[in-house]
Amino acid sequence: AQSVTQLGSHVSVSEGALVLLRCNYSSSVPPYLFWYVQYPNQGLQLLLKYTTGATLVKGINGFEAEFKKSETSFHLTKPSAHMSDAAEYFCAVSDRLNTGTASKLTFGTGTRLQVTL
Amino acid sequence: ETGVTQTPRHLVMGMTNKKSLKCEQHLGHNAMYWYKQSAKKPLELMFVYNFKEQTENNSVPSRFSPECPNSSHLFLHLHTLQPEDSALYLCASSQDSGVEAFFGQGTRLTVV
Repeated sequence: AQSVTQLGSHVSVSEGALVLLRCNYSSSVPPYLFWYVQYPNQGLQLLLKYTTGATLVKGINGFEAEFKKSETSFHLTKPSAHMSDAAEYFCAVSDRLNTGTASKLTFGTGTRLQVTL
Repeated sequence: ETGVTQTPRHLVMGMTNKKSLKCEQHLGHNAMYWYKQSAKKPLELMFVYNFKEQTENNSVPSRFSPECPNSSHLFLHLHTLQPEDSALYLCASSQDSGVEAFFGQGTRLTVV
């Protein structure tokens, strides 16, 4: 079974400050990890993903995340927050084992990011 | 149209009504999913279809009935719902060779 824990349901940062959203996972197989963003009244949009290879992955809108196996973490960062980054962010892990099977995502409870002036 | 499209965007229904949610994906994907998003709860995977076959039903009550006539379309038929079923229902799709899911904008369902 897989699970995701997002520490902090609400995070507030000043515009221009570092954004750090935390995600820890548990998985019985090598994980595929994702960060999604959700704006009000919208669906989820993929920010970035880790499958294999380089552990530091870059996504859209200046976000990046680093896979740390020893810490079972996949924290999301952005050097400088912008007002438009205010949204809810979801970390997810996939348990897809084989090509040809559907990818089932297990999500964390989300972190709402507030950006203040 | 591109991506994953859900209709309607908003739905208010009484507990005795029957309604359907529709999802269409224009990405050529093989797998489609229904998720439920309730306030203060993690997204809950409800159903998974792969190549039109249902491969997962996460103990969803029978008042929710999915239908997948082809790999591009997914429906969720609703009947005799309860107020606690009010939520945002999200459809997603993925390619069998990929890992990420692509989401629609959701249907905001209110049961009165």
